[in-house]
Amino acid sequence: DAGVIQSPRHEVTEMGQEVTLRCKPISGHDYLFWYRQTMMRGLELLIYFNNNVPIDDSGMPEDRFSAKMPNASFSTLKIQPSEPRDSAVYFCASSLEGSYEQYFGPGTRLTVT
Amino acid sequence: QKEVEQNSGPLSVPEGAIASLNCTYSDRGSQSFFWYRQYSGKSPELIMFIYSNGDKEDGRFTAQLNKASQYVSLLIRDSQPSDSATYLCAVTPYSSASKIIFGSGTRLSIRP
Repeated sequence: DAGVIQSPRHEVTEMGQEVTLRCKPISGHDYLFWYRQTMMRGLELLIYFNNNVPIDDSGMPEDRFSAKMPNASFSTLKIQPSEPRDSAVYFCASSLEGSYEQYFGPGTRLTVT
Repeated sequence: QKEVEQNSGPLSVPEGAIASLNCTYSDRGSQSFFWYRQYSGKSPELIMFIYSNGDKEDGRFTAQLNKASQYVSLLIRDSQPSDSATYLCAVTPYSSASKIIFGSGTRLSIRP
């Protein structure tokens, strides 16, 4: 298996623009997680899905952030409008039901200027 | 109070020595505990997990858990330069066994 796939790997955008990050989990995994990592705040859980259904979005910073999982093999995290404080590395991870091990994608480094 | 606390480091250890990494957590109901390793510019990867009080050994790595003290540690024996990385402690909160909460990580540097 190719592992968790994220795109793009790097994104540079201007404040106010819409940003869409994409994730393809490992085939057969039931859970999908979106994280954000910064030096100041560490690795924060934003939202997670179980069988394509959002379970906990309490970590989503504000209404500018939204996430969808239209099917078992694809998820998006959208920021609209983006702000400089959204600059971070965004990770997607997936796991199997009954297993605590999460497999992380390579991350998307987002820079908002 | 943060849910999972770690000393940010850097922790500098000579090659061949034992590296000791520590973590405390606030949720007394937490049941599962993890150590992830993250190399610079890379994604986290799971290296150890522990559920029961006591020690769990895997090769050069030993995880230690003390639920009464709400304390988790990771020992790395015979430290190698390749062990230089950031180590993230993580726990599952009592409210949800499906997610894990990460500490901010301890940066470990093994000096030759």
